[in-house]
Amino acid sequence: QVELVESGGGVVQPGKSLTLSCAASGFDFRNYAMHWVRQTPDKGLEWVALLWYDGTQKNYADSVKGRFTISRDNSKDTLYLQMSSLRPEDTAIYYCARSWGIGAPDYWGQGTMVTVSS
Amino acid sequence: EVVLTQSPATLSLSPGETAALSCGASHTLRDTYLAWYQHKPGLAPRLLIYGASTRATGVPDRFSGRGSGTDFTLTISKLDPEDSAVYYCLQSGTSTYTFGQGTKLEI
Repeated sequence: QVELVESGGGVVQPGKSLTLSCAASGFDFRNYAMHWVRQTPDKGLEWVALLWYDGTQKNYADSVKGRFTISRDNSKDTLYLQMSSLRPEDTAIYYCARSWGIGAPDYWGQGTMVTVSS
Repeated sequence: EVVLTQSPATLSLSPGETAALSCGASHTLRDTYLAWYQHKPGLAPRLLIYGASTRATGVPDRFSGRGSGTDFTLTISKLDPEDSAVYYCLQSGTSTYTFGQGTKLEI
């Protein structure tokens, strides 16, 4: 069955960096676009980034553009999110999710918590 | 950026009733790119509807979606306490996706 498992969350100081990972299994990872979505108490769900199945297209929310980088290793069935210059407002549960092309993400992981605090 | 506005913010109904949740878009959307999700605390979001009106695999027919252009609706009939959750609409028709702010449904 399809499984997405996020890891790498934790507590980090403002201005620092953190990298999240998402291990995929149960489907042909290299054929799917992948997303990062976060959940905050204030804003609910916020879409963060999208990476095309072959890595040729990357899109970001304005709130993270220039600070976050989405990438993937299709040989390891793994998605990444490199986060730099972190801010308190980046505090959230981060989910990875897959979609077929630019469709709606259909399977999601359980999420990993990131807390940005001094 | 396409802004999605959901209403109401909170909806309290009794078991057996019907809920109607609205999602309004700031720009015209192609139907294909409007989806609805159910999100319960501690769980992953669950895709309910995609393409504005197509139920995802395993979603009961109590859940239905309709709409076009800038106005979309998720209808949940025969409400069950298990339907208590936050419901979000999502548009994927532009290079940057956007969610609505959510409707909290209390049964």
